Amino acid sequence: GESVGLHLPTLSVQEGDNSIINCAYSNSASDYFIWYKQESGKGPQFIIDIRSNMDKRQGQRVTVLLNKTVKHLSLQIAATQPGDSAVYFCADHFSGTYKYIFGTGTRLKVLA
Amino acid sequence: KAGVTQTPRYLIKTRGQQVTLSCSPISGHRSVSWYQQTPGQGLQFLFEYFSETQRNKGNFPGRFSGRQFSNSRSEMNVSTLELGDSALYLCASSLSTGEGYGYTFGSGTRLTVV
Repeated sequence: GESVGLHLPTLSVQEGDNSIINCAYSNSASDYFIWYKQESGKGPQFIIDIRSNMDKRQGQRVTVLLNKTVKHLSLQIAATQPGDSAVYFCADHFSGTYKYIFGTGTRLKVLA
Repeated sequence: KAGVTQTPRYLIKTRGQQVTLSCSPISGHRSVSWYQQTPGQGLQFLFEYFSETQRNKGNFPGRFSGRQFSNSRSEMNVSTLELGDSALYLCASSLSTGEGYGYTFGSGTRLTVV
């Protein structure tokens, strides 16, 4: 069935270190993926996206990697800062459904 | 440019009542989607509207319904509320097709059913 899962519910990293958040998806037909960040009391905020015809995409301090062979997605945050503390969701989309399937989220805690 | 606006921010209702939540999308966005967020469940898709037409609906009971107006504003209604309907309800809007584009979410409406 449809599912987008996260390997770790909580990730703690030292400030300045790099963070890697992982996500698995089940639908090989998925054509578009998004990472969202959600801070307490706010709605999810778009971080970065990637289409299925790409393997890697970079933004400001963030990189998303897509491995279609094993249906795995990861978000890398460079030089993690206290402001990066939040819950991160991956979301999966395939054309014609007009919806996204979200994972349950990974809480990132940045330690000073 | 104003973001996605959801009203009210907080609601407390009693079991058996009904509730209507409102969402105003970003100007120019014609696709509006609704999600339910509960602890440990992530975001569950409720429905999506484009040009007043529902294009997809998630696996929720018929007590959950929605609509979209000609100005793209959307409302969702939950009838005969149950305790399990307590959640954060999020609305998201996107550009014309709603396909293959990232959503912009509102801050949500926190519904508590007592």
